[in-house]
Amino acid sequence: DTEVTQTPKHLVMGMTNKKSLKCEQHMGHRAMYWYKQKAKKPPELMFVYSYEKLSINESVPSRFSPECPNSSLLNLHLHALQPEDSALYLCASSLTWDSYEQYFGPGTRLTVT
Amino acid sequence: EDQVTQSPEALRLQEGESSSLNCSYTVSGLRGLFWYRQDPGKGPEFLFTLYSAGEEKEKERLKATLTKKESFLHITAPKPEDSATYLCAVQASASKIIFGSGTRLSIRP
Repeated sequence: DTEVTQTPKHLVMGMTNKKSLKCEQHMGHRAMYWYKQKAKKPPELMFVYSYEKLSINESVPSRFSPECPNSSLLNLHLHALQPEDSALYLCASSLTWDSYEQYFGPGTRLTVT
Repeated sequence: EDQVTQSPEALRLQEGESSSLNCSYTVSGLRGLFWYRQDPGKGPEFLFTLYSAGEEKEKERLKATLTKKESFLHITAPKPEDSATYLCAVQASASKIIFGSGTRLSIRP
């Protein structure tokens, strides 16, 4: 099973709202990632968790807050977002964070109004 | 500076017309090169991993090859269902992965 699941599929939120995106994998992968993807652009890496510890934060604004409760779950907490944050948010996982292919979830389409 | 460039940006083919997509890279140390397929509004789907020059991998109508400077994704006798954006990504170090901008492939029946 090479499935990464993400919820919700679509999310519309106002600039004062607080919401969370969820990601889950049961492949025994120890690295998990959040990406942001704008239309017709490649995915942009936001965060990397390796063995449940935050390894990389690509200078992402603090209105995005990641959390890794356990090795199978990854959350992205959203607060006070801007309209320019509207995008497809992708979760991915890989065996480890070192030369292994990443498996992506279907994404959450986020619209900030 | 580490860089990944994909060409062409867009490619339109007739069904059955074979062609190749290019991914050229400039990195200080290649740890792996990955090909993904992405359909509109969906997450990228993993296709291949290549680690060293001379390596080749095949899956159905797709074949990926790797040299020291570039990778090719060859598509043989494509079908309309092969229409998608194909992304190349390079792992340049243990903490750095770089995606190319992708090639949008359209196959006409």
